[in-house]
Amino acid sequence: QVQLQESGPGLVKPSETLSLSCTVVSGSISNYYWSWIRQSPGKGLEWIGSIDYSGSTNYIPSLMGRVTISIDTSNNQFSLALISVTAGDSALYYCARWNAAAGYYFDSWGQGILVAVSS
Amino acid sequence: DIQMTQSPSSLSASVGDRVIITCRASQNIRTYLNWYQQKPGKAPKLLMYTASSLESGVPTRFSGGGSGADFTLTISSVQPEDFATYYCQQSYIAPYTFGLGTVLEI
Repeated sequence: QVQLQESGPGLVKPSETLSLSCTVVSGSISNYYWSWIRQSPGKGLEWIGSIDYSGSTNYIPSLMGRVTISIDTSNNQFSLALISVTAGDSALYYCARWNAAAGYYFDSWGQGILVAVSS
Repeated sequence: DIQMTQSPSSLSASVGDRVIITCRASQNIRTYLNWYQQKPGKAPKLLMYTASSLESGVPTRFSGGGSGADFTLTISSVQPEDFATYYCQQSYIAPYTFGLGTVLEI
């Protein structure tokens, strides 16, 4: 089973940019879609967006204009950038693999990284 | 966006009980419905996909059913390690949305 590992700062100031990376360990980043999902007490689990190995992206409409997901296939990594953050963006952020082989589902998850937005 | 409504929001059970969790979508999602289990401090774990397919390694006491807008997750005989929160998620169309979860308590 593929393993995923999130990394990035756990504290971001309001109005600044939240930047996280996810490394795909013990597996290939090719031929799959890769996603970011966040979880907060107020909103539950929320899919943020996905990217495939060619760089094609799909985002939740409520974050359009603030979110960018990118991929670095040479380093088996993909990244999340969320600009102009507010306290409402505080959450536990997960990266996950979106498997489209026999249906569509998140079959591998990172352990999650807690991000707080605070001055 | 498709809204996913789970019921009940919490459920008390004893070891050996049969438990059913339901999930209703706000529109027809065919069988594009997945179930996840989450334990405290852990990431969600895929249990079922496309409504009734059991993920590899998941015990066969878990089963899923339904199509269209109404779905169920059944645990035939609850084991101590099954006490957790369960989420449904639709993969019919983006944005891919989750239910708010069902907490299975002892």
